[in-house]
Amino acid sequence: EVQLLESGGGLVQPGGSLRLSCAASGFTFSNYAMSWVRQAPGKGLEWVSVISGSGVSIYYADTVKGRFTISRDNSKNTLYLQMNSLRAEDTALYYCAKDRDQVIAVAVGTFDYWGQGTLVTVSS
Amino acid sequence: DIQMTQSPSSLSASVGDRVTITCQASQDIRKYLNWYQQKPGKAPKLLIYDASNLETGVPSRFSGSGSGTDFTFTISSLQPEDIATYYCQQYDSLLYTFGQGTKLDIK
Repeated sequence: EVQLLESGGGLVQPGGSLRLSCAASGFTFSNYAMSWVRQAPGKGLEWVSVISGSGVSIYYADTVKGRFTISRDNSKNTLYLQMNSLRAEDTALYYCAKDRDQVIAVAVGTFDYWGQGTLVTVSS
Repeated sequence: DIQMTQSPSSLSASVGDRVTITCQASQDIRKYLNWYQQKPGKAPKLLIYDASNLETGVPSRFSGSGSGTDFTFTISSLQPEDIATYYCQQYDSLLYTFGQGTKLDIK
C-alpha cells in the first residue's frame, strides 16, 4: 500500500525558514517523480515544485522560485522541501504527491497518491 | 504559464442529475488534462487522466472529454457521495497548473 507522510510544518515568522519532509513507502520511490502541492486555507490547489525520480529534473512555480528548494534522498525514500524567506502568502497545507507513471528521468504530472498534508503558517 | 479557467465556480444539483464542469486552457495542452475530486478535510483524489481515461477504481458515472484548449468533466448521475470540489490540472507544461475549482453540492 502506497503511503506518503508529510512532516515539518509549523508556525514561522515572516522571513524565516522551514524544511518539510515526506516519507514514502509501498512503492519503488526512486522510479517516480514527486511533487509538492499547497492549498491556502479555504482556497484552491497550487502546484509548487516537482523533482524527477533521479533528482536530475527539477521545476518550480514562479511564486516560490529562488526561495524554495526541492530535493530527495532515494536511500531514505524521503522527499524534502526547504522553504526560505517565507511570506504570509506561503501559509498553506502542503501536500506531497506521487506521479502516476514510472519515468525516472523526467516528470509526468499526474498525481495518483497524495499525503494528508502538513500545515505551514507564516505569521508574526 | 498556462492558465486554467474552470466553470462554474459552484454548482447545485439534485441526486440523479447529469452534472457538467468545463475547463479551458489559455493555450493548447493537447490531451494533458487531469480531473481531481477533493472532499472537505481530505487530500485530492485522481479521477480522470489524459483528459478522458478513468483512473482504476473510479465509478463509471465519471467521465472526461476534450483536447486542445476545451475540456469537459461529467457526472452522469449525481450521487450524494459526489459532494466535493473538483479541480482540473494541466501537465502539458512542466509548470503544472490547476483550475480554481468547482464546488458541487446537493440541491
